[in-house]
Amino acid sequence: AQKITQTQPGMFVQEKEAVTLDCTYDTSDPSYGLFWYKQPSSGEMIFLIYQGSYDQQNATEGRYSLNFQKARKSANLVISASQLGDSAMYFCAMDSSYKLIFGSGTRLLVRP
Amino acid sequence: SAVISQKPSRDICQRGTSLTIQCQVDSQVTMMFWYRQQPGQSLTLIATANQGSEATYESGFVIDKFPISRPNLTFSTLTVSNMSPEDSSIYLCSVGGTSSGRAGGDTQYFGPGTRLTVL
Repeated sequence: AQKITQTQPGMFVQEKEAVTLDCTYDTSDPSYGLFWYKQPSSGEMIFLIYQGSYDQQNATEGRYSLNFQKARKSANLVISASQLGDSAMYFCAMDSSYKLIFGSGTRLLVRP
Repeated sequence: SAVISQKPSRDICQRGTSLTIQCQVDSQVTMMFWYRQQPGQSLTLIATANQGSEATYESGFVIDKFPISRPNLTFSTLTVSNMSPEDSSIYLCSVGGTSSGRAGGDTQYFGPGTRLTVL
């Protein structure tokens, strides 16, 4: 069965520094997608970045990049130059058969 | 990405009553989903809303408790029936099928959520 694991319940980072949020996954499907979402205190889920299992290069979207290591089944999110507005919950998710399976999330707090 | 709205944004309801949540998309989408997020927890898929047919429910969720309608490709409703305090959650709809042709995954975009409190 598919599973997403986020082992960091909470993280702190200093403003303007980079931070890595960990995500490992388990699936037997050869084709899958990996996603990161941000959830501010308002509750909305904001899509950040996508990585396909067949993509050769790591995905990047502005200050977000995904460190995809297929052999290790990891898909860590890297946020560069952290901003106060980055304080939120971050969820890693995997798509299989059009369904999203979410990890337990990491709460990121950016310190001024 | 599609613009998704949900109504109501929040509500406080009494035990034993029902609440219907609406999800409206500004363009036609293939897939619509309903998720539940209990306090302090991650998101769990309730069901896939199928246009013109019965929704497909995940294990642990049943139609009598969470009836879903999807009359067209831009609109869906989720009803939380006979509510109890354990139903207090954020309910989110999402849409997919907007990343056609991409192998391995289809990005889902979420509505703003409905924050439900049951007393």
